[in-house]
Amino acid sequence: GNSVTQMEGPVTLSEEAFLTINCTYTATGYPSLFWYVQYPGEGLQLLLKATKADDKGSNKGFEATYRKETTSFHLEKGSVQVSDSAVYFCALRSGTYKYIFGTGTRLKVLA
Amino acid sequence: NAGVTQTPKFRVLKTGQSMTLLCAQDMNHEYMYWYRQDPGMGLRLIHYSVGEGTTAKGEVPDGYNVSRLKKQNFLLGLESAAPSQTSVYFCASTPGLAISYEQYFGPGTRLTVT
Repeated sequence: GNSVTQMEGPVTLSEEAFLTINCTYTATGYPSLFWYVQYPGEGLQLLLKATKADDKGSNKGFEATYRKETTSFHLEKGSVQVSDSAVYFCALRSGTYKYIFGTGTRLKVLA
Repeated sequence: NAGVTQTPKFRVLKTGQSMTLLCAQDMNHEYMYWYRQDPGMGLRLIHYSVGEGTTAKGEVPDGYNVSRLKKQNFLLGLESAAPSQTSVYFCASTPGLAISYEQYFGPGTRLTVT
């Protein structure tokens, strides 16, 4: 079946550090891939998405590239800020109603 | 547009009590979902609906019922609350079947069952 695996947290970084959160997936067909962010006390909100192989999604300085050959969709940001502290979820959708979410990675950025 | 709204935001129930969580969306979305979020377990799908008048079970449906009498509303009911149902509940919607569509989430309902 379809699945998403993302790195366990928490991830603690200093402000302006480089961020990578790994995400790999297993899916039949050609899924769409998503990164969602959840700030404390809030619901999930879409950060970026990619709908076909080699697409790069980007938003607010975050980027992720849909790599079919490695079944990966790693999230990166060149310089994190304290305001990026949140939980990040990788997700996929493949041909049905269902979205498959990873377990989330908590990021803490220190000033 | 308000997007996806949920009421109430917080609730404390005693074991055995019942309640209904309301989700409303103003985006004319076809599909709606209820999830629960527990520490270390990500999101788990409780029930979902692919259109007005339809509902279906997700991964963890036991102890919950749902109804979708109007396209914009999706209700989640707990008939006899148990402490294991203490969680944060999220509603989400998406326009329809195309896999490129993302989900839109509500702000959540934090439920405590004592």
